Amino acid sequence: GAGVSQSPSNKVTEKGKDVELRCDPISGHTALYWYRQRLGQGLEFLIYFQGNSAPDKSGLPSDRFSAERTGGSVSTLTIQRTQQEDSAVYLCASSLGGTVNYGYTFGSGTRLTVV
Amino acid sequence: DQQVKQNSPSLSVQEGRISILNCDYTNSMFDYFLWYKKYPAEGPTFLISISSIKDKNEDGRFTVFLNKSAKHLSLHIVPSQPGDSAVYFCAASARDSSYKLIFGSGTRLLVRP
Repeated sequence: GAGVSQSPSNKVTEKGKDVELRCDPISGHTALYWYRQRLGQGLEFLIYFQGNSAPDKSGLPSDRFSAERTGGSVSTLTIQRTQQEDSAVYLCASSLGGTVNYGYTFGSGTRLTVV
Repeated sequence: DQQVKQNSPSLSVQEGRISILNCDYTNSMFDYFLWYKKYPAEGPTFLISISSIKDKNEDGRFTVFLNKSAKHLSLHIVPSQPGDSAVYFCAASARDSSYKLIFGSGTRLLVRP
């Protein structure tokens, strides 16, 4: 597609439930990133995928968070046993190469609310 | 530990005047800096960037200045237009992890007609 597509755009879930967030990057972009933005804060790095290389998972806040990227394209971010502090906007981005000089293109995000 | 700081959460400017958004950083390994603009319910969009080998980069109405000794950068918008009203994020990357952006908390700019 023309841009980075994320779904759902909004998700309300009960504390303790699992959620899956999906990202469809720009076709041909080899690098994919997940960030999250909590209310009033900046974007926080979560995970980075580049081609067939091992992902950089150093930003995942706990082992309840995991992400995968299938076939070098679509990515899914999974949060297990959600907590209220997981409430945030989760943003996905993709880029042509693996450095910021190529520029990221962000999706519109998934707003997750844990009640 | 915030490595990129935007100390002004908001800024209000009259249309036609200059907007100056500021950003400070602490990590001396940062070598590339970017500004992103974000409208409500949209993802951030890239605005302008600067490498640490430069002290100024200009693109139309937007200019970014980098003062490495002070670990400070600023974004100048002149003349400001109502359509510039958005949240502006400063971001930086380090040479040892050039794919990862560290973001500030953003400054909400309001340009009054």
